[in-house]
Order: sequence, then C-alpha cells, then structure tokens
Amino acid sequence: SQELEQSPQSLIVQEGKNLTINCTSSKTLYGLYWYKQKYGEGLIFLMMLQKGGEEKSHEKITAKLDEKKQQSSLHITASQPSHAGIYLCGAAPNTGNQFYFGTGTSLTVIP
Amino acid sequence: ETGVTQSPTHLIKTRGQQVTLRCSSQSGHNTVSWYQQALGQGPQFIFQYYREEENGRGNFPPRFSGLQFPNYSSELNVNALELDDSALYLCASSPDWAGGPNNEQFFGPGTRLTVL
Repeated sequence: SQELEQSPQSLIVQEGKNLTINCTSSKTLYGLYWYKQKYGEGLIFLMMLQKGGEEKSHEKITAKLDEKKQQSSLHITASQPSHAGIYLCGAAPNTGNQFYFGTGTSLTVIP
Repeated sequence: ETGVTQSPTHLIKTRGQQVTLRCSSQSGHNTVSWYQQALGQGPQFIFQYYREEENGRGNFPPRFSGLQFPNYSSELNVNALELDDSALYLCASSPDWAGGPNNEQFFGPGTRLTVL
C-alpha cells in the first residue's frame, strides 16, 4: 500500500511568517494532491502535481514535487489566520483504484 | 461549497447496530469515494464506486458496504457496529476514478458517527 508521511505533525506560527509542510511517499507518486481541512469539516482541494519537478502556486501557497516524484512540499508565504487548518497530501498508487492520504499537518496562525 | 451534501450531520448508535449514511454527489460525477477519518488522523479510503459498481476498496471488512444510484446519490452501510467505527465519514465525488490524472475530488462536510 502507499504510505504518505507528513511533517511536521503540527505547526504554530505568528501571522506573517513563512512555513513549509512536507509529504514523503514510500513509492513513486502517480499524482500528488494537496487538500485543506477545517477542523471537523470536509476537505477543500488546493492543487495537484503530476510531473517530476513540477511547481504550482495559488495566491500565497506554492507546492512542489521533486524530480523523483517521492516528495512534495507545500509552502505558505506571509501566513494569515485564514490559512489555519489541517493540510493533507493525498495520492493514488500506480495500480489499483485506491486513494491514500497523509497523516496531516495541523497549522495554527497566531494573529 | 463543493455541491456535495451528506446526511445526517451527526449520528449516535450502539455497538452491534447497523447504520446507513447518505451522500449526494455533484451532477455528472461518475465516481463516489468514501473515507473514514478518526480523530487526529488523515482520512482512510474505504471504497470507491464508479457508475454504480464498486471498483476499488481499501483495507476495510465486508461489513462496510455501499451503493451508488443513477441519480448521483450513494450510501455507505456499516453492519455490526464496533466502538472503533466512531469517526467522521466523508464522501467525495469526482468525474473519474479517485487519483486519476487531474481528477480533483469534491468532498462533502461529513457525517460524525459515534458508537457507544
């Protein structure tokens, strides 16, 4: 099965600070998805990376997938309280119709 | 708003009972996936239905079963409830199978199930 490890497990930052969340896979990633979840609610899609070395940005959030397609990072610039929540990476294996999520990173932004 | 709805919002059951959770997908989405999320953990894939047939399953026992209907609604049924089944249950709809290229999943708000 696909295993996705996220680090750190939790993060507390002051508003305005930059931060990075990492997602490491035990296998080559077929496609890597980033989602955000507000506590106890559904997930909101952020972005999807497929090609080695790919980088995407949306507003102040940038996600990268390394060349070997086994590690991804999510970077938030000048964090705001609205960025608070749980960030989850997710991926499907090359074979089999399944989907796996990482362990999640809880982000708190202090105003 | 993702256009995916789930009912009920909260549910309390006792051990051994059976439960049915419901999901209404976005119109035109052929795939619905169900996930179990225990407190403090990432969602765990239960199974996926594509055009009314199960076509992918995670590491969950047969007492977890599902149905998908032509009107974009679906159900998750859990028999013989156990205490460990207490969790947030999420459904997600997508145009194609979950994890496919450029295949964003649209999640519902979830059903919080408590088993006593």
